[in-house]
Amino acid sequence: SQWGEENLQALSIQEGEDVTMNCSYKTYTTVVHWYRQDSGRGPALIILIRSNEREKRSGRLRATLDTSSQSSSLSITAAQCEDTAVYFCATDATNTGKLTFGDGTVLTVKP
Amino acid sequence: NAGVIQTPRHKVTGKGQEATLWCEPISGHSAVFWYRQTIVQGLEFLTYFRNQAPIDDSGMPKERFSAQMPNQSHSTLKIQSTQPQDSAVYLCASSKRANTEVFFGKGTRLTVV
Repeated sequence: SQWGEENLQALSIQEGEDVTMNCSYKTYTTVVHWYRQDSGRGPALIILIRSNEREKRSGRLRATLDTSSQSSSLSITAAQCEDTAVYFCATDATNTGKLTFGDGTVLTVKP
Repeated sequence: NAGVIQTPRHKVTGKGQEATLWCEPISGHSAVFWYRQTIVQGLEFLTYFRNQAPIDDSGMPKERFSAQMPNQSHSTLKIQSTQPQDSAVYLCASSKRANTEVFFGKGTRLTVV
């Protein structure tokens, strides 16, 4: 695996709470993609952060990237039930769109 | 824009039979990717094409799997002599150019019985 200690994780939180998901990677990348996957659908990109960006925000989402420690995080502020999904980070070591995915985090937001 | 279209959504084959999965990428996208998703292995890269040319098939099992892109509007993934371990969701994706968003289809769930 090109990933560190990440295995498929499960997080369960209450609506309105904040949550952070972390991933670490072993191979060089200039970009980290964060995807969410809803049941029965393919992954959908939610935020893309490049190596020259330490932080990127999109609505209630915030991604960070630390190239020195080869790690990235995705935070969701004031989670909603509709945020329930599986979240993956992915790297693109060859800058071609060929992605290497982490194992993912199953996030459940309870009302 | 209907996104990446994959057909069929579900396919059941008997062990030893052939399965062909179809993908229509987003119009104007030059790169097409195939991935496989299982609970145990997660999302694994299989192969990709750029401008219809095969670029990297490093993730493809060598003996029974093949992929083609005969024109810019569709790609196929063929699995010969399917085995139960081939059961997975096969995802097709496309992107406009390198280092940009990769759009995924809904996938084809293949079940080999």
